[in-house]
Amino acid sequence: GQQLNQSPQSMFIQEGEDVSMNCTSSSIFNTWLWYKQDPGEGPVLLIALYKAGELTSNGRLTAQFGITRKDSFLNISASIPSDVGIYFCAGFIAGNMLTFGGGTRLMVKP
Amino acid sequence: SAVISQKPSRDICQRGTSLTIQCQVDSQVTMMFWYRQQPGQSLTLIATANQGSEATYESGFVIDKFPISRPNLTFSTLTVSNMSPEDSSIYLCSVAGNDGYTFGSGTRLTVV
Repeated sequence: GQQLNQSPQSMFIQEGEDVSMNCTSSSIFNTWLWYKQDPGEGPVLLIALYKAGELTSNGRLTAQFGITRKDSFLNISASIPSDVGIYFCAGFIAGNMLTFGGGTRLMVKP
Repeated sequence: SAVISQKPSRDICQRGTSLTIQCQVDSQVTMMFWYRQQPGQSLTLIATANQGSEATYESGFVIDKFPISRPNLTFSTLTVSNMSPEDSSIYLCSVAGNDGYTFGSGTRLTVV
């Protein structure tokens, strides 16, 4: 099936730093979704993108739907401790099921 | 977006037994989805459950192992049958809405 390559797999953050992660695919999607999963919880939708080139913000989070429809990125500005968790991208195209990236684990720098 | 109540939130089960997981949605939805999330991994779709018809299973998942019920438009169950330690995972239900897919809080299953 379709595969999404999400990077980085993990990263350490220091409070106040900006964070960037991205997903790429060999196939096109017409919807990109970004989720965050906290321990013991299901994924919670952060941002949904529906058009190529679309740039959408949700507070300190900004995500873009790539022009080629094969990639998306998520930026977190001025990170805070509660940003720690696992972030997943997911792509969808009509007639197919939602496909998830492998996740990016955000951790706090010791 | 829809609100999903999933239970149990966690369970520890003996191998060879079965566990049924329930998901209740606060609105009527056509399709419900069941996912497995193995430790440290991403989400993998098990099956799609439509009301009034048999569930559609993804490659690698079979009805005998993961029977699904969908008696109405707001409820579904997933049973993990004849469990082994390899079934230890988080199981999640999901529904599609206007603004994306919503997930239940998950069931963390440990098989001993």
